[in-house]
Amino acid sequence: KAGVTQTPRYLIKTRGQQVTLSCSPISGHRSVSWYQQTPGQGLQFLFEYFSETQRNKGNFPGRFSGRQFSNSRSEMNVSTLELGDSALYLCASSLAGTTAGNTIYFGEGSWLTVV
Amino acid sequence: DQQVKQNSPSLSVQEGRISILNCDYTNSMFDYFLWYKKYPAEGPTFLISISSIKDKNEDGRFTVFLNKSAKHLSLHIVPSQPGDSAVYFCAASPTGTASKLTFGTGTRLQVTL
Repeated sequence: KAGVTQTPRYLIKTRGQQVTLSCSPISGHRSVSWYQQTPGQGLQFLFEYFSETQRNKGNFPGRFSGRQFSNSRSEMNVSTLELGDSALYLCASSLAGTTAGNTIYFGEGSWLTVV
Repeated sequence: DQQVKQNSPSLSVQEGRISILNCDYTNSMFDYFLWYKKYPAEGPTFLISISSIKDKNEDGRFTVFLNKSAKHLSLHIVPSQPGDSAVYFCAASPTGTASKLTFGTGTRLQVTL
């Protein structure tokens, strides 16, 4: 079956702009979470959505937001972009996301460069 | 505060030998642990996981060991193959929030001929 799909794969934005990234989870998966990977901070959890509700949140400023639609597809938005937001943004999906044994699968990521 | 640590940034192993990657954690609320393999600019690929109720889980060439008292887990790859060369991340999640993963910093494994 199809894996986690993220679009766009690569994009370049200017400081101060905003960006929206999209994620389609594996069919049947209802939990979608987002991660940021940078050389300095590694892989860090942004937030998780389940049934259109944000269920968990990491330690990122309010400029980072997301949403989930009724078909489980998710978007994340970063407003007022800063140079430090340049990163690989990864989407992950799982069936329910609450219990051990619930495998989490990642997409290929969206590579954002802020200039 | 690095709650999941992979103290070896790199490891080189000969083809056919065993690769052992280590991971330590500090948060006693973690009860689900996973290993991922990652290539640059790609998403992590799930390898194997273990719940805190077990101390060992095997899947083909991959075995994960968990020592709860030491807060330590390890991934064994036997036999190692050149295609295993990648960065390996361990990740952990706390009780009830399996999707909120805390990742280690990664270990770059190179399998040489």
